[in-house]
Formats: sequence, C-alpha cells, structure tokens
Amino acid sequence: AQSVSQHNHHVILSEAASLELGCNYSYGGTVNLFWYVQYPGQHLQLLLKYFSGDPLVKGIKGFEAEFIKSKFSFNLRKPSVQWSDTAEYFCAVPYSGAGSYQLTFGKGTKLSVIP
Amino acid sequence: EAQVTQNPRYLITVTGKKLTVTCSQNMNHEYMSWYRQDPGLGLRQIYYSMNVEVTDKGDVPEGYKVSRKEKRNFPLILESPSPNQTSLYFCASSPSGSPSGNTIYFGEGSWLTVV
Repeated sequence: AQSVSQHNHHVILSEAASLELGCNYSYGGTVNLFWYVQYPGQHLQLLLKYFSGDPLVKGIKGFEAEFIKSKFSFNLRKPSVQWSDTAEYFCAVPYSGAGSYQLTFGKGTKLSVIP
Repeated sequence: EAQVTQNPRYLITVTGKKLTVTCSQNMNHEYMSWYRQDPGLGLRQIYYSMNVEVTDKGDVPEGYKVSRKEKRNFPLILESPSPNQTSLYFCASSPSGSPSGNTIYFGEGSWLTVV
C-alpha cells in the first residue's frame, strides 16, 4: 500500500516570505501526484497535478511543485506568500492495485500567513 | 456548471438514528468516493465506486454503507451513527477509476455531529 508524508503540521510565515511544503510518498509504480488546498470553511480544490513530462509543474495562484523521482518527493513552493494563502494544503497520491483505485492523502499542512 | 453536490451540508443527529448523506455529480463520472476528514488525520477514504453497481471498501469503512444504483448518485449511509463518526465528510468524483491522468473533484463537504 502507498503512504504519503507531509513533514510540517503547521507553518507560520509573514507575507512575502517564500514557502516550501514537503511531501514524500512511498508508492514505487507509475506516479501521479496532486496538491489540494482547503481554504477555511471551504472544500478541497485542486492546486496542481503531475501526471508525466516536465517534473516542474505550475499550478494556480503562483504555486509550483517539483517531482523528484529519486527522492520520492513532490514539494510545493511559492516564492512570495500572501495573507490569502492561509489554508490547509494536502498532498495526495492515487494508487491502483488489485482492481482498486484509492487516493491517499497526507495529513495536511496548515499554513498561516501573517500580514 | 460541473459540480459535486452533497446534502445536507450540516447535520446534528443522535446516536443510533439512521441517516443518509446524498452525493450527486453532473459530469458523467464513473468513479465516486467518500472521505472523512478529521484533525491531525487528514482525509481517509471510506468507500469508493468504480462504476454503477460496483463498490469497494476504502481505508475506514466500518459503520458505513454505500450504494451506486445510478451513475450520478453515491449516497453514504450511516445505519447506526455513533459519536466517533462525528466528522467532515467529502464526496468526490473522477472521470474513471484509472489513476493515470485523472483529477478528482470534491463536493463542498458535510459537517456531521453525532451526540
């Protein structure tokens, strides 16, 4: 079975600081990777995804993530955060095995941006 | 507008009183699933369905039932709710069950409290 680890439970940054949230996965097969964001009181929204090709993927709102296969990592980055980026961020990996399709999430990282 | 719709959005119920949370998607997606979100645990998959009449257990199926009689609907049934099922529930759908190249779309969530 697959697992997803997010290294930071809660990150607090000032506006304009750079952000990097760690995500490591254990699945060794063909990898699709997602980052979802959940703003306070709202549902999960897709931030960006990696399916194949260029390992540096760009998402909405200035976010990007880099897939490093050798490190089993898919870290999320943003050069300069804004107060509106305050949210919880989830890394996710779909798994296909024995005819099933599960999407495994990390436990999430809460980002608080201080104005 | 493409969407996943859940009802009710908020519910307080008593232990043992059967309840159903409905989920409907208008994107003709084959794959649907249910997740629960708990603080510190992230999202965990309860059940999923690869297509009509095809359902399977996720990571935390105990205490829940589902059915998939129509492609667009995937209700979550709590036959005898208990306080440990107090949680935020998300329904999700995806074009197909293949993990390759598919994005999962989430509903807005249902807050359930069992007292």
